[in-house]
Amino acid sequence: AQSVTQLGSHVSVSEGALVLLRCNYSSSVPPYLFWYVQYPNQGLQLLLKYTSAATLVKGINGFEAEFKKSETSFHLTKPSAHMSDAAEYFCAVITNQAGTALIFGKGTTLSVSS
Amino acid sequence: NAGVTQTPKFQVLKTGQSMTLQCAQDMNHNSMYWYRQDPGMGLRLIYYSASEGTTDKGEVPNGYNVSRLNKREFSLRLESAAPSQTSVYFCASSEVTGDSYEQYFGPGTRLTVT
Repeated sequence: AQSVTQLGSHVSVSEGALVLLRCNYSSSVPPYLFWYVQYPNQGLQLLLKYTSAATLVKGINGFEAEFKKSETSFHLTKPSAHMSDAAEYFCAVITNQAGTALIFGKGTTLSVSS
Repeated sequence: NAGVTQTPKFQVLKTGQSMTLQCAQDMNHNSMYWYRQDPGMGLRLIYYSASEGTTDKGEVPNGYNVSRLNKREFSLRLESAAPSQTSVYFCASSEVTGDSYEQYFGPGTRLTVT
């Protein structure tokens, strides 16, 4: 069965600093992986996705993620944090046991200070 | 193009009351899902519908029922609400086309059971 683990429930950075949010996955088949962002009291918005094409995936708002099979990781990065990046971020993987539903990590809250 | 819509946005129930959460999508997607979001737990799948006329249990189905009314609509029913069902509920829809996959989320329903 597939699963994802997000390391760190809370990450704090200064404005302009590097953002690194960690995600490790477990999958018995080649995974489809996603990062979603949730702003306060809103729904989920797709940041980026990996679907077995390029291992370095670029998303919206300057975020990118690199799929590393040897490390079973799909970490999310952004070179320079902005105050507007403060939100909760979820890593997810498609399950092959419930149609094409997603299995989510527990989320990482990103705080950005000035 | 409204995407995925959910009603109501907020609801307060007393223990034992029943209610139905409504979800509709206008993207002609075959698959639809109900998730619940609890603090520190990420999103967990309640039920899903891979296509019109089919529904299946997800990770946390107890206390819920669903109906796939037609291709557009997928409702979630709480027959006898319990405080443990206090949560934010998200409906989503998706379509797999070739190597492309994306799950679209509604804005959520915030439910409190007292």
